[in-house]
Amino acid sequence: EPEVTQTPSHQVTQMGQEVILRCVPISNHLYFYWYRQILGQKVEFLVSFYNNEISEKSEIFDDQFSVERPDGSNFTLKIRSTKLEDSAMYFCASRDLGRDTGELFFGEGSRLTVL
Amino acid sequence: GQNIDQPTEMTATEGAIVQINCTYQTSGFNGLFWYQQHAGEAPTFLSYNVLDGLEEKGRFSSFLSRSKGYSYLLLKELQMKDSASYLCAVTDSNYQLIWGAGTKLIIKP
Repeated sequence: EPEVTQTPSHQVTQMGQEVILRCVPISNHLYFYWYRQILGQKVEFLVSFYNNEISEKSEIFDDQFSVERPDGSNFTLKIRSTKLEDSAMYFCASRDLGRDTGELFFGEGSRLTVL
Repeated sequence: GQNIDQPTEMTATEGAIVQINCTYQTSGFNGLFWYQQHAGEAPTFLSYNVLDGLEEKGRFSSFLSRSKGYSYLLLKELQMKDSASYLCAVTDSNYQLIWGAGTKLIIKP
């Protein structure tokens, strides 16, 4: 069964460092998303991406964040200068709105720890 | 504003039935999802409702009333592995998913 894959599974970084989280969405999906979940809190939308550009972004997704689709398969989230409060689980997701259910498929997540 | 409400925590007994409620107020509606999330793991899809009524899938069923802005997830024959958080999420008019805070379900033997 096709799945969304994310790397790394866990990254520890120092405050102020740049971090790149990588995702490979399901190949025939058209919409890509990044979500984050701070430990014990709700899932929060960061950004959605369609047709090689950002379609929606939340207030959380400020100038420190950027997304790219550098090739036909990868979808990356970059945090330019990490802060302590960026420590969270980051989930990539994709979906094909051509399907009836519009189900969102999640990757396993990348746990980011900022020290 | 957009809002999704669900209970913070529920406790049930192995083998029993539990109903987790979700009410929503969103700008538009294009479907409601239930996801299961075990601690430290990604959410996994359980169900999708876009029309009123009950959708049954094995031990899990989900109900939707659009006029009331209300849904519930019904879990039957509870097993210990059902201990998890259950997330209600609504797709709004822009096809953005609005997430509830989740209901932590604790199953006791």
